[in-house]
Amino acid sequence: EEQLVESGGGLVQAGGSLRVSCAASGFTLSTYAMNWVRQAPGKGLEWVSTLTVSGGSTYYADSVKGRFTISRDNSKNTLYLQMSSLRAEDTAVYFCARHDYMDVWGKGTSVTVSS
Amino acid sequence: DIQMTQSPSTLSASVGDRVTITCRASQTIGSWLAWFQHKPGKAPNLLIYKASNLESGVPSRFSGGGSGTEFTLTINSLQPDDFATYYCQHYSGFPFTFGGGTKVEIK
Repeated sequence: EEQLVESGGGLVQAGGSLRVSCAASGFTLSTYAMNWVRQAPGKGLEWVSTLTVSGGSTYYADSVKGRFTISRDNSKNTLYLQMSSLRAEDTAVYFCARHDYMDVWGKGTSVTVSS
Repeated sequence: DIQMTQSPSTLSASVGDRVTITCRASQTIGSWLAWFQHKPGKAPNLLIYKASNLESGVPSRFSGGGSGTEFTLTINSLQPDDFATYYCQHYSGFPFTFGGGTKVEIK
């Protein structure tokens, strides 16, 4: 079964850093474009970042550009999102999702930024 | 950036009803549109990709249509499990954007 499992969320102070992970099983993560999507409390889904299949290109929402970095470790079949200079408005559940049209999703990991 | 506008934001319906949700793009996106169902505390679930293609395992009462800037998601004969929030998302270049969501509630 193709599966994504996020981890690494938690409580962090404003201005701090956190890295969330997304472990893939049942498929090879590097053969797909991979995304991070978040949902703030009471809000809708927001695209955050994409890493292309080749891994050569990364894209970010304006709200996180310059603060977040998407990457992957092929040997661990794992996707990462390194978040720095965190703000209260980054508080959300962070999901990873496969492919441009997001056919496989994880259940999410919760990040809370305290001000 | 391409903006995605969904309507209505909330929809009240009964089991057995036929419901239609509309998604409008601020500029043409061809058929590069997906629809998702999302329930609280769960992962979003892909229903439709490339505007009208039903994802494997999704019941046939769900259908998608449209191209360019106007798209629809139709649920024929609404079932109890269908009460959820629905989102459209374009993937016609970056940044990807989601619509604001449509919450389908029990009338």
